[in-house]
Amino acid sequence: DTEVTQTPKHLVMGMTNKKSLKCEQHMGHRAMYWYKQKAKKPPELMFVYSYEKLSINESVPSRFSPECPNSSLLNLHLHALQPEDSALYLCASSQDPLLAGAGVAKNIQYFGAGTRLSVL
Amino acid sequence: DAKTTQPNSMESNEEEPVHLPCNHSTISGTDYIHWYRQLPSQGPEYVIHGLTSNVNNRMASLAIAEDRKSSTLILHRATLRDAAVYYCILRRGINAGNMLTFGGGTRLMVKP
Repeated sequence: DTEVTQTPKHLVMGMTNKKSLKCEQHMGHRAMYWYKQKAKKPPELMFVYSYEKLSINESVPSRFSPECPNSSLLNLHLHALQPEDSALYLCASSQDPLLAGAGVAKNIQYFGAGTRLSVL
Repeated sequence: DAKTTQPNSMESNEEEPVHLPCNHSTISGTDYIHWYRQLPSQGPEYVIHGLTSNVNNRMASLAIAEDRKSSTLILHRATLRDAAVYYCILRRGINAGNMLTFGGGTRLMVKP
């Protein structure tokens, strides 16, 4: 099973709402990622979790708050978003963030289908 | 990070081979070349990777230039299901945090 499951598939929210995106994998992966993808653009990395700890934050605004409650689950909490935050939010996971040498080359990322977010 | 350059779009006929080029003239010795593709309404998926030698797997082949400044993803017989955006990505080999930095990608259109 190489599946990364993201819920919900679609989300519409107002600028004052609080919502959460959820990502789940059962491959035993210890690294999980959030990406943001605007229409017709490539994905951009937002956050990386390594062994349930936040290891990389790509200067993402605080209205996006990630959480990794356990090794299988990754959440992205949303609060006071702006219309320009409307995008496809992708979650990914990979086997072992501490793999070195040739193992790094094999550290393939598996992506979910994404949550399409619209902020009104 | 070293950058990649790819054509914005390419067209192919079904059941013909497709060669997708990627330039990475600033590649370092420890950078691995990875290819991912993104089908419509899906997240990216891994296709193939290599360091110096040409590589084959069930999905595609990767031809790497001798100086490593360019590479080519080869789909041997394109199908309609291969229509996607193909991303060429350089992955650092040492202490990289396993980060993927996507470039613009090539949108492949396959005609029946």
